[in-house]
Amino acid sequence: EAGVAQSPRYKIIEKRQSVAFWCNPISGHATLYWYQQILGQGPKLLIQFQNNGVVDDSQLPKDRFSAERLKGVDSTLKIQPAKLEDSAVYLCASNQLGRGRDTEAFFGQGTRLTVV
Amino acid sequence: RKEVEQDPGPFNVPEGATVAFNCTYSNSASQSFFWYRQDCRKEPKLLMSVYSSGNEDGRFTAQLNRASQYISLLIRDSKLSDSATYLCVVNGNYGQNFVFGPGTRLSVLP
Repeated sequence: EAGVAQSPRYKIIEKRQSVAFWCNPISGHATLYWYQQILGQGPKLLIQFQNNGVVDDSQLPKDRFSAERLKGVDSTLKIQPAKLEDSAVYLCASNQLGRGRDTEAFFGQGTRLTVV
Repeated sequence: RKEVEQDPGPFNVPEGATVAFNCTYSNSASQSFFWYRQDCRKEPKLLMSVYSSGNEDGRFTAQLNRASQYISLLIRDSKLSDSATYLCVVNGNYGQNFVFGPGTRLSVLP
């Protein structure tokens, strides 16, 4: 079974530039998450989709971050304009709808963003 | 108060030691609980789910206390390969609010 695919793996941009990350979840997984992980910290949830609807985007800095999952499958996360503090690993994860143990989330390898 | 809190770490232990990690969560409606492991510069991967009755997988034992909103992970006979960051994860019904703790780093020393 193919895992969660993310691209690019690495990105270096200057502050005030824009950047986009792509994620393709595991086939059949209705729920998709984007996390930001700053070095030395746990992943912080930015946005959660269920199919193509947003379940939770309370921690997404909406003045500069946007995300979409138009067809309920793959998703893009965009930052515009980027700030130095956006340097982090951006992780995409997916899981099935369900209860309890069925909701294990699977992660992609992440995109490491460096803003200079 | 943060939704999920963990021992700050790091934990440095010799090979063969037993080490315990603690985690507390604030949302009493949380339904599912997991321990994830994250190696340096890698993505998190599921170590084990945590069930109300407690569960064991080889050298690893997880416990859940719903009344105290507390989760633990015990590693017995630790190996060098156990060196990683251990992340406590809590989520609500139907996969909502999949929230990570800050993680506890473990270094097992020869």
